[in-house]
Amino acid sequence: GEKVEQHESTLSVREGDSAVINCTYTDTASSYFPWYKQEAGKGLHFVIDIRSNVDRKQSQRLIVLLDKKAKRFSLHITATQPEDSAIYFCAAITSGGNYKPTFGKGTSLVVHP
Amino acid sequence: GPKVLQIPSHQIIDMGQMVTLNCDPVSNHLYFYWYKQILGQQMEFLVNFYNGKVMEKSKLFKDQFSVERPDGSYFTLKIQPTALEDSAVYFCASSLRDRGYEQYFGPGTRLTVL
Repeated sequence: GEKVEQHESTLSVREGDSAVINCTYTDTASSYFPWYKQEAGKGLHFVIDIRSNVDRKQSQRLIVLLDKKAKRFSLHITATQPEDSAIYFCAAITSGGNYKPTFGKGTSLVVHP
Repeated sequence: GPKVLQIPSHQIIDMGQMVTLNCDPVSNHLYFYWYKQILGQQMEFLVNFYNGKVMEKSKLFKDQFSVERPDGSYFTLKIQPTALEDSAVYFCASSLRDRGYEQYFGPGTRLTVL
């Protein structure tokens, strides 16, 4: 089955800097890659996604890049703010089926004021 | 934004007892999911549910597990009997059929089996 590896378990940046979180996957049939944010004591909150028919997507300060050849995708948070501090999870979903994601282990991002 | 609620937030029970975890999904959502996360590990898919039926389940979804959503009320995960290895945080999620990729998650129920 699909395996998703999230490379950074922790990430610490200064406010205003960019943060990059990298994930790799194994199943070439994966076609959808959502990212989730989890703040302390709360559930996962969908933040952005990318489908395999594009290689870049931006939503305000969030940019997702997808390299299908390398089976790698990344989340870039630009101009970070303290409220960006949270655990971020990447996931991969194979085409067809019932939208069952395989998650990474999560990256704890801390943005220092 | 849309919210998924889970009740209770924490449950402690003795091994062998039955437990029911409750999820109140987003009101117009049609697909429902349960995930299990053991401390320090990845969240793993258990089951998804649509139109009153289990659509897909993983090998983690043991025979002791069952799900239902009677008459549009809570979407529940029942474990009977519980085992020590069932201790984990269980997350519920829901999604619209045509936006099935965009799942909304609850805050989780921490289950401790003693």
